[in-house]
Amino acid sequence: QSALTQPASVSGSPGQSITISCTGTSSDVGGYNYVSWYQQHPGKAPKLMIYDVNNRPSGVSNRFSGSKSGNTASLTISGLQAEDEADYYCSSYTSGSTLEVFGGGTRLTVL
Amino acid sequence: QLQLQESGPGLVKPSETLSLTCTVSGDSISSSSYYWGWIRQPPGKGLEWIGSIYYSGNTYYNPSLQSRVTISVDRSKNQFSLKLSSVTAADTAVYYCARHTRVSYCFDYWGQGILVTVSS
Repeated sequence: QSALTQPASVSGSPGQSITISCTGTSSDVGGYNYVSWYQQHPGKAPKLMIYDVNNRPSGVSNRFSGSKSGNTASLTISGLQAEDEADYYCSSYTSGSTLEVFGGGTRLTVL
Repeated sequence: QLQLQESGPGLVKPSETLSLTCTVSGDSISSSSYYWGWIRQPPGKGLEWIGSIYYSGNTYYNPSLQSRVTISVDRSKNQFSLKLSSVTAADTAVYYCARHTRVSYCFDYWGQGILVTVSS
């Protein structure tokens, strides 16, 4: 079970849009619409931001959106705000006797 | 409001067994809609799924940890537990418990986390 691949870091200026990619295989990201995204601020527990590829839990800003193409899922944050600066992790359901695999995480810096 | 709270020793000696408990309030651990999972995060590193359990006792583990991990559930106390044997310094991490949905396979509620240090 290999971790999903994310860029180590991305950055953007306030008001801009950024996209974070999450690449897996046909056994996880590409095979199922069970990709989720988490936001983690320093010293805090992760927070669910997107589930089922492109659904937002209640209370999550509509500036956050998700998509998927083949074995790669993406998280887009539009209208960047300073409070969006955090680490972001993707995860996916994976086939076999295991259930979940996480990405390595991406640090978002708001310039 | 659902809450999860991890508890257990913050310091474990090398080669010993790490034991943590997650107490769930605001929901029944016997709900058929959820698994209950453990995730860890070494200092400065990313998240790693350890494993999840269904209220019936069915378990699912990360293959890289499977030989050392046991997750169990105590429905009478609305708790689930993690045991990780033969620990080394590499097992030093913040350990989170979380509710793991069966419909969407996501972790929708998390505990605050507990730092466990492996050191003599």
